[in-house]
Amino acid sequence: GESVGLHLPTLSVQEGDNSIINCAYSNSASDYFIWYKQESGKGPQFIIDIRSNMDKRQGQRVTVLLNKTVKHLSLQIAATQPGDSAVYFCAEKANNDMRFGAGTRLTVKP
Amino acid sequence: NAGVTQTPKFRILKIGQSMTLQCAQDMNHNYMYWYRQDPGMGLKLIYYSVGAGITDKGEVPNGYNVSRSTTEDFPLRLELAAPSQTSVYFCASRPTGGKENTEAFFGQGTRLTVV
Repeated sequence: GESVGLHLPTLSVQEGDNSIINCAYSNSASDYFIWYKQESGKGPQFIIDIRSNMDKRQGQRVTVLLNKTVKHLSLQIAATQPGDSAVYFCAEKANNDMRFGAGTRLTVKP
Repeated sequence: NAGVTQTPKFRILKIGQSMTLQCAQDMNHNYMYWYRQDPGMGLKLIYYSVGAGITDKGEVPNGYNVSRSTTEDFPLRLELAAPSQTSVYFCASRPTGGKENTEAFFGQGTRLTVV
């Protein structure tokens, strides 16, 4: 079946550097793509979303890019901080359900 | 507002026992979801509901049942617990309205171990 997947399971960056987390999707019927952050022992927390008819959306220190040609989604975090260390999930919404990918663990080195 | 509240936080079950994981939200959200998260893995959708009286299967519904008699509550039932159901279970809710809203609010999770 169609699913959301991620390119890399782990990512380690230096504090202050920019981080890029990637995600591949296969369900072209999804109308929204969403990024969530999950800290240890907690439930996922919404970061940002992008509608399927958009290419780019910016938030505070985060940017999401959507490339529908290759079915690729990315989350860019500017000036990564220690508090950004977490697992990041992309999710896709098609109709009423919301399905998640496997996640990428981001570790920020001081 | 309390947001999404899950109970219990931890539970150990013996094989074949049954239990209900409770989920309640006080935000008047129509959409509610149940996910399971195995160690080091992503979230898998078990069941979801778009409103009171309506439920739908997700990716991994086998071994579970749900009901949605009120807007606030969305309990998840395990009838015959199996070791494969050892996981962390998350409940989430999402609002609906004139403007599309994808932000789901998650509970703190229920860690279930079946032995």
